[in-house]
Amino acid sequence: ETGVTQTPRHLVMGMTNKKSLKCEQHLGHNAMYWYKQSAKKPLELMFVYNFKEQTENNSVPSRFSPECPNSSHLFLHLHTLQPEDSALYLCASSQERGGIDTQYFGPGTRLTVL
Amino acid sequence: GQNIDQPTEMTATEGAIVQINCTYQTSGFNGLFWYQQHAGEAPTFLSYNVLDGLEEKGRFSSFLSRSKGYSYLLLKELQMKDSASYLCAVSDSNYQLIWGAGTKLIIKP
Repeated sequence: ETGVTQTPRHLVMGMTNKKSLKCEQHLGHNAMYWYKQSAKKPLELMFVYNFKEQTENNSVPSRFSPECPNSSHLFLHLHTLQPEDSALYLCASSQERGGIDTQYFGPGTRLTVL
Repeated sequence: GQNIDQPTEMTATEGAIVQINCTYQTSGFNGLFWYQQHAGEAPTFLSYNVLDGLEEKGRFSSFLSRSKGYSYLLLKELQMKDSASYLCAVSDSNYQLIWGAGTKLIIKP
């Protein structure tokens, strides 16, 4: 596989469930990002990892928990979500954080919280 | 605060030309990106401008005026497959991308 892949593509969960989103990049990049995309709103940066270290957390509620075991894999663990968390969750990667660096995106996970 | 403005939706005819504008107010400037996003798919990189002027890439061109805080994406010879959302993003002084809400482009036959 090439590029950035995300699984699952679609997820429906109840507010009491625990689930995880997975992202994998095959580009040899060192930085990985989680974004939230809601309809008609700008992309919201959630978390940034650079060389496996979390460098940014943009005031994201603790019900979202990221994990980056290596530079190729990124997870977003979800628990006790709210209906307003329903959105498209996009993963992206770039060569490294800082400097002018094009980000490459995965296709996203469409999350619906009931 | 930091802000990126672009029209919510535009409609154009197949074969025509369309210009999608983006204005920005950010803390510092380290370049402007345009991405294309088809419904249900990943945003894909189209262009990057850091100096004033026009960059041309086939049917797509991107223009930047730093003094005016303004950019546009020009799409020529429109095709039905160009129906998508177009996202403008500015890299600020901390190299963080500030995103616009996107412009949904509808192409009619």
